[in-house]
This record gives sequence, structure tokens and C-alpha cells, in this order.
Amino acid sequence: IAGITQAPTSQILAAGRRMTLRCTQDMRHNAMYWYRQDLGLGLRLIHYSNTAGTTGKGEVPDGYSVSRANTDDFPLTLASAVPSQTSVYFCASSDTGNTEAFFGQGTRLTVV
Amino acid sequence: RKEVEQDPGPFNVPEGATVAFNCTYSNSASQSFFWYRQDCRKEPKLLMSVYSSGNEDGRFTAQLNRASQYISLLIRDSKLSDSATYLCVVFGAPTGANNLFFGTGTRLTVIP
Repeated sequence: IAGITQAPTSQILAAGRRMTLRCTQDMRHNAMYWYRQDLGLGLRLIHYSNTAGTTGKGEVPDGYSVSRANTDDFPLTLASAVPSQTSVYFCASSDTGNTEAFFGQGTRLTVV
Repeated sequence: RKEVEQDPGPFNVPEGATVAFNCTYSNSASQSFFWYRQDCRKEPKLLMSVYSSGNEDGRFTAQLNRASQYISLLIRDSKLSDSATYLCVVFGAPTGANNLFFGTGTRLTVIP
């Protein structure tokens, strides 16, 4: 692993199903983030974690949950997917919040 | 009001032109500022940080005006390879949480 990796790269999901998007970084960064990107709305923060063991809500947290059991992993879970959660999801990490953020390659999720 | 606002463009400019993008932010306590570049269907990547004194990196110049809460990016001698979406990013703490806030992006197309 080099940098930050997301899985899967794309997924088609039936509405009502549970889904976990995976994110792993090997840079030992303290801060990690999940964003969704939608046309015309830009990148919107879903959840964040400033350090292992802590998480916080971003701008659009409803319908999503996260955990940060260790420094490297920051999974995002959709408990019961809805079509409005169709989006491109980006995970990011940074050493601290005010330094460069590195992004994963994104997960393209379609909820039908 | 959004934390970060950008002119969405699109900007269509000929090769060799100079183009400027602007961005305003709402939180006067914001601490750090960045410009990111995002190519189509790819993850955002850091273009440059923005310092109070202004900074230059080759053909790119970034300026910060804290009094007006305004950030700019100037690209000189545009190249075809500069075609991308440019994201204004602000690190701030509006509610005690440290987060990166993204503008919706300005799309640039450089025309041969």
C-alpha cells in the first residue's frame, strides 16, 4: 500500500442494503476524512476523525457512520442505502488538519 | 452561507493566456488555505498552499487577503495540461472542530 487506498472503486447497490466503504492509509496521518462529491455541490464533508478513537460529524452526516479503531483505517458505513446517496466518495488523510490532505482514488457508488 | 465560495466558471481560455480564479471564505478564524487541482474522474491533488505574503510556483501565483477573506490563484502562460477543476480549500474551526472546507471548484479549459 502506498498512500491512501479506497475499496471498492465502484459499486452498484440495491436500496435498503448495508454497505461499508473501506479506506486505509499507510502514512500514519492523524486526521482522516470522508467526503462525497456531487455535480454542482463540490466536496462535502460527511465525517471526520482527528485522531484514532475519535470521530465527528461533518456537513452531511445523516445516513452514514464511521469508526476509527486504529490510525490506518477509517471505514464509512451506509446502514440502509437510499438513491440520494448515489455519489462519488473520497477518503482523505492529513498529518494535521492544516497541512496537505491526500485523497484516495474515490469510490463511485450507485444506489438503485 | 457556504464556508467557501468560488466562481464556478467555466473558464475557456486560449493557450498562453493568463487566467485568475477567486475564492471567498466566511470564517475569519480560518487558519490555512490551499488550492487543489482535480482532473476529470480523479481525486483532488494539492496544487499549492497559500501564504499571507503570497507565493509563487512557476506559472502559478496564489494570494491571500485576510482582511477581505479572499484568496486568488493566477495562472500565467496557460498550457493545455492546465485544463482541470481548481478547488479552493480552507482549514477552519467554525464549531470547534478542525476541518477542511472545499469550494465547489472552478473549471478551466485551455483551448489550442
